[in-house]
Amino acid sequence: SQTIHQWPATLVQPVGSPLSLECTVEGTSNPNLYWYRQAAGRGLQLLFYSVGIGQISSEVPQNLSASRPQDRQFILSSKKLLLSDSGFYLCAWSPDGTILDRVGTQYFGPGTRLLVL
Amino acid sequence: AQTVTQSQPEMSVQEAETVTLSCTYDTSENNYYLFWYKQPPSRQMILVIRQEAYKQQNATENRFSVNFQKAAKSFSLKISDSQLGDTAMYFCAFLRGWAGTASKLTFGTGTRLQVTL
Repeated sequence: SQTIHQWPATLVQPVGSPLSLECTVEGTSNPNLYWYRQAAGRGLQLLFYSVGIGQISSEVPQNLSASRPQDRQFILSSKKLLLSDSGFYLCAWSPDGTILDRVGTQYFGPGTRLLVL
Repeated sequence: AQTVTQSQPEMSVQEAETVTLSCTYDTSENNYYLFWYKQPPSRQMILVIRQEAYKQQNATENRFSVNFQKAAKSFSLKISDSQLGDTAMYFCAFLRGWAGTASKLTFGTGTRLQVTL
């Protein structure tokens, strides 16, 4: 079975500090990977997605960047955090389309709570 | 662009009763997928049910079932025999026809469901 991990679970960072959130998937190969942000009481905003190593698509221009150094690893980064970067960050994966009854389905990790002070 | 509307911000149901959450969507596509996700207080997004638009049969998963009305562009979720553990935010999501690349979901704004004794 497939599992998805995110760490850290909670992070408190000062404004202007760097950020690195990590997401890894086990039990599958060549997954599509996603980063979402969710503000308190709000819906999900897609930040980045990746269909392969080194392939990153950005949905929203912002202070963040993403990288995919390995097939099952997805990293969300920032050089200097802003107060507005606070939120709940979710990583997700979806199959590459070879499993027909799971086509398009996204599976989410446990998330990271980020508070920028 | 596709839009997903959840017109019920909050709902309440008594334990063991049945509740229906509404979702409508707007699209010009003929081939697409619909999902319901559950987000409990832990905030992890959990897949509840998945429906393929080309299938006329409504999807079911144990106590969860959908009423998919393609012509009306409606996709409601019915929870039978509600349990306290069903208390969560529920999100409806839309994915347009699979193109072999990343699945970019469009989420609704969510319905907060409270199950009471």
